[in-house]
Amino acid sequence: GENVEQHPSTLSVQEGDSAVIKCTYSDSASNYFPWYKQELGKRPQLIIDIRSNVGEKKDQRIAVTLNKTAKHFSLHITETQPEDSAVYFCAAPNSGNTPLVFGKGTRLSVIA
Amino acid sequence: DAGVIQSPRHEVTEMGQEVTLRCKPISGHDYLFWYRQTMMRGLELLIYFNNNVPIDDSGMPEDRFSAKMPNASFSTLKIQPSEPRDSAVYFCASSLQAGRNIQYFGAGTRLSVL
Repeated sequence: GENVEQHPSTLSVQEGDSAVIKCTYSDSASNYFPWYKQELGKRPQLIIDIRSNVGEKKDQRIAVTLNKTAKHFSLHITETQPEDSAVYFCAAPNSGNTPLVFGKGTRLSVIA
Repeated sequence: DAGVIQSPRHEVTEMGQEVTLRCKPISGHDYLFWYRQTMMRGLELLIYFNNNVPIDDSGMPEDRFSAKMPNASFSTLKIQPSEPRDSAVYFCASSLQAGRNIQYFGAGTRLSVL
């Protein structure tokens, strides 16, 4: 089955700096890669996703890049703000239309 | 739509008691998932349903855990008997497809077993 590894587990950045979180996956047939943000005490919520037919997707200050050859995808947050502090999870399906496998999460702290 | 609705939000019970967690998925979503979240193990998929039918329950930790989906708008996760190690946040999520679409999570149930 799919194995999703996420790094780093914790990340601290100064406000205004960029943050990058990377995930690797094992199943080359995986074709959908979402990123979820979970604020303290809240539910995980999708912030951006990418499908295997594109290499990059942007939405304001966040972007996701996908390298299918290397089987990794990354979340990029620019101009970080204190409200970006949260746990971020990447995910990938086992194969085809099977449930998402989530990474272990990255706790991002943005220091004002 | 009000989103995925879970109840109760918090549950405190004593070891050995039965616990029932409830979930109402988003209308029209064919897939429903139950997750458990702990600091040590992260977000674990316990079981998922497609059109009310359980598809994979391999993540259910023990026979003490059971889940049902009697209709398209309601699912339960039951723990009987409960143990302190079951303490966690339990999330329900729903989506149009299993691994190709956004999963929408409920607010979760924080379970504490004393």
